Amino acid sequence: AQKITQTQPGMFVQEKEAVTLDCTYDTSDPSYGLFWYKQPSSGEMIFLIYQGSYDQQNATEGRYSLNFQKARKSANLVISASQLGDSAMYFCAMTLNSGYSTLTFGKGTMLLVSP
Amino acid sequence: DGGITQSPKYLFRKEGQNVTLSCEQNLNHDAMYWYRQDPGQGLRLIYYSQIVNDFQKGDIAEGYSVSREKKESFPLTVTSAQKNPTAFYLCASSIDSNTRGENIQYFGAGTRLSVL
Repeated sequence: AQKITQTQPGMFVQEKEAVTLDCTYDTSDPSYGLFWYKQPSSGEMIFLIYQGSYDQQNATEGRYSLNFQKARKSANLVISASQLGDSAMYFCAMTLNSGYSTLTFGKGTMLLVSP
Repeated sequence: DGGITQSPKYLFRKEGQNVTLSCEQNLNHDAMYWYRQDPGQGLRLIYYSQIVNDFQKGDIAEGYSVSREKKESFPLTVTSAQKNPTAFYLCASSIDSNTRGENIQYFGAGTRLSVL
């Protein structure tokens, strides 16, 4: 079974600075996908970025990038130029690509962006 | 607008009562999912459905039931057998749960269920 670990319960960052949210995963399956979601106080889960285990390059989506280190089994989210609207819970999740697979989530990291 | 609609936003349940949470999607997705979120926790899978008239138990299915009579709809019933139903419930859908590679799940806004 796969497992996701997010060790940072909370992070603080000043507006316009970059921040890294940590995520490590555990699976023996060679083919998998890694996701990051944002959950603002309203509750909905917003998809941010995806990384496949065989992707050669780190995924990027606007101000979001995924620092994928396969040997370390880490998939950290980097947010550049933080904005006040980035304050939210952030969840790392993974799915296996063998057969029917569903998302396994970490417990999340609360990010607070200060002016 | 395409998306996933969950209703109601807030729901209260009395002891011994069954309640049903609605989830509708117009994204033409085959797969749909129900998750439960407790305070300070990540999401845990309750049930999922890959196709109409078929569904599978997730990690915490006890005390819940679902149906999938239409592609667009995947209602969740919280039965009286669920002794601790107070939580935030999220519905999601994806193109196909059997697609290798990127298979993004998109979520609704959630239903907050409380016990009276």
